[in-house]
Amino acid sequence: DTEVTQTPKHLVMGMTNKKSLKCEQHMGHRAMYWYKQKAKKPPELMFVYSYEKLSINESVPSRFSPECPNSSLLNLHLHALQPEDSALYLCASSQDNRYSNQPQHFGDGTRLSIL
Amino acid sequence: DQQVKQNSPSLSVQEGRISILNCDYTNSMFDYFLWYKKYPAEGPTFLISISSIKDKNEDGRFTVFLNKSAKHLSLHIVPSQPGDSAVYFCAATYTGTASKLTFGTGTRLQVTL
Repeated sequence: DTEVTQTPKHLVMGMTNKKSLKCEQHMGHRAMYWYKQKAKKPPELMFVYSYEKLSINESVPSRFSPECPNSSLLNLHLHALQPEDSALYLCASSQDNRYSNQPQHFGDGTRLSIL
Repeated sequence: DQQVKQNSPSLSVQEGRISILNCDYTNSMFDYFLWYKKYPAEGPTFLISISSIKDKNEDGRFTVFLNKSAKHLSLHIVPSQPGDSAVYFCAATYTGTASKLTFGTGTRLQVTL
């Protein structure tokens, strides 16, 4: 069982909808991440939060808006998405991302389909 | 520029034999390397990691070897089991990047009976 929980597991939305993806971890980790993964490709980093502050935005379009309400929760707000945004969205966490030698632990992802 | 490469898209190994998955990297700044296993419809599962100050790390059936001069790492699985059938990603990062992981393209391992 994964210790990073993502909801929903599947999401189908139209291009004009607004929805949110949620991620929760109770491992006391202080770094949390959003990744996007397309079929047969490796995960691509989107955002990094460190101690609840956004530390990396990998030039992600503004239709994706991350939020970290507290150290256990990470949200990804979606608005006016395009069909090419259909993908698996993965959340991960690690103990402290100031040091490289701490592995990231992933949730099972949200499979997003844009109609 | 692909900084982490897994040149074998797939590998088939008999149950009980050794599986060797390879990974090459180009960025000499990388100081921490990880292997993840991914089943369909699940997120990547962390398997094993190695710091650049070591050349070997072992955890049960899994051993990772690092050759810094060749910029090459490998994952050995001994003995291979059918449940090991999955896609394996190697990843790398270095201090100062907020643990940004650079992933390889993955190798699909099939363990046959």
